[in-house]
Amino acid sequence: EAGVAQSPRYKIIEKRQSVAFWCNPISGHATLYWYQQILGQGPKLLIQFQNNGVVDDSQLPKDRFSAERLKGVDSTLKIQPAKLEDSAVYLCASSLEGGRGAQYFGPGTRLLVL
Amino acid sequence: AQSVTQLGSHVSVSEGALVLLRCNYSSSVPPYLFWYVQYPNQGLQLLLKYTSAATLVKGINGFEAEFKKSETSFHLTKPSAHMSDAAEYFCAVAYGGGADGLTFGKGTHLIIQP
Repeated sequence: EAGVAQSPRYKIIEKRQSVAFWCNPISGHATLYWYQQILGQGPKLLIQFQNNGVVDDSQLPKDRFSAERLKGVDSTLKIQPAKLEDSAVYLCASSLEGGRGAQYFGPGTRLLVL
Repeated sequence: AQSVTQLGSHVSVSEGALVLLRCNYSSSVPPYLFWYVQYPNQGLQLLLKYTSAATLVKGINGFEAEFKKSETSFHLTKPSAHMSDAAEYFCAVAYGGGADGLTFGKGTHLIIQP
């Protein structure tokens, strides 16, 4: 069974530029999450999708971050414009059972904002 | 709001010694609890999960954790440390229902001394 795929693996941009990350979850997983992991910290939830609907985006900085999950499969997370403090690893995860089940994580996209 | 506290940002043990990583959570309702491991430049891998069945949970790689409601704890143990156990370990909590993204602790870096 293929795992969660993410691309790109690494991205370097300058502040005020825009960037997008892509995630393909495990086949059949209806729930998809995006997390932000700043160096030295645990991941922080940004947004949760159930199929193509948003369940929780309370911690998403909506003035600069946006995410979508068209057709309930792949998802894209965008930052526009980027700030220095957005430098982090962006992790995508998917789950079959929601909160009580395991979340399976992709390898992450490491973003450096200069 | 739910929270997770991991005591000790770094834990060092000798190879063959007992591993004990501490996790306490705050919750007014029964949570689902997880331990994840993260190797350098990789995503998170699930070690084990507690979802209200047996209080002693066995996971992969010889790890186990015990849910103690009275102490609001979910400490991770392994009887005999191996060099390959060196990694970052995260405790996380979730709740069933709609918004069920994981809340992570800050992580504990496990160092194995030869």
